[in-house]
Amino acid sequence: GAVVSQHPSWVICKSGTSVKIECRSLDFQATTMFWYRQFPKQSLMLMATSNEGSKATYEQGVEKDKFLINHASLTLSTLTVTSAHPEDSSFYICSARRVDRVMVNEKLFFGSGTQLSVL
Amino acid sequence: EDQVTQSPEALRLQEGESSSLNCSYTVSGLRGLFWYRQDPGKGPEFLFTLYSAGEEKEKERLKATLTKKESFLHITAPKPEDSATYLCAVQAGYSSASKIIFGSGTRLSIRP
Repeated sequence: GAVVSQHPSWVICKSGTSVKIECRSLDFQATTMFWYRQFPKQSLMLMATSNEGSKATYEQGVEKDKFLINHASLTLSTLTVTSAHPEDSSFYICSARRVDRVMVNEKLFFGSGTQLSVL
Repeated sequence: EDQVTQSPEALRLQEGESSSLNCSYTVSGLRGLFWYRQDPGKGPEFLFTLYSAGEEKEKERLKATLTKKESFLHITAPKPEDSATYLCAVQAGYSSASKIIFGSGTRLSIRP
């Protein structure tokens, strides 16, 4: 099956520093990738939609200057948490949409997630 | 407003005890409904996509069904390894770029 690779799996950083998370679709091209945030025992909250070659679309309440998203190629999207603070600590998950044959078979594949802890 | 509601929030079953998980949705035009399994500390794992009312899909002990208002994930004779959180998500709208909304999940625990 399709594989989405997300790195790092976990990161601990000091308050005020920036952290970059990478999301790669390994065996398919993804024109659209999504970034989610998940708190313990809660569902996934969509942060932004990343479209290759264009600006990301952010959900209401998500600061675009704090959570920088870059989707420079069909297989790579990055999320940079800038000037991280303890309240940014969370589980971040990326996903990539794979569409087979004119939207007949559409699937969303997820990375393994990144646990961010800001001290 | 588009909404996805899953019930129950948590479900504990004995090994071999079949049951169903519910996903109710209210969206302006359903493009697709997805079921995922998520283990603690990991990303969701794709299970099924359903597109239209009446559609059914099966995979091992799992079977997903869809109506115009809800979807069920039936689990037959579950095993302890089926313990996980099961997430339902819907894609609303008519664009391939339309966003996907997740329900809060059902935490399933199977006792041996």
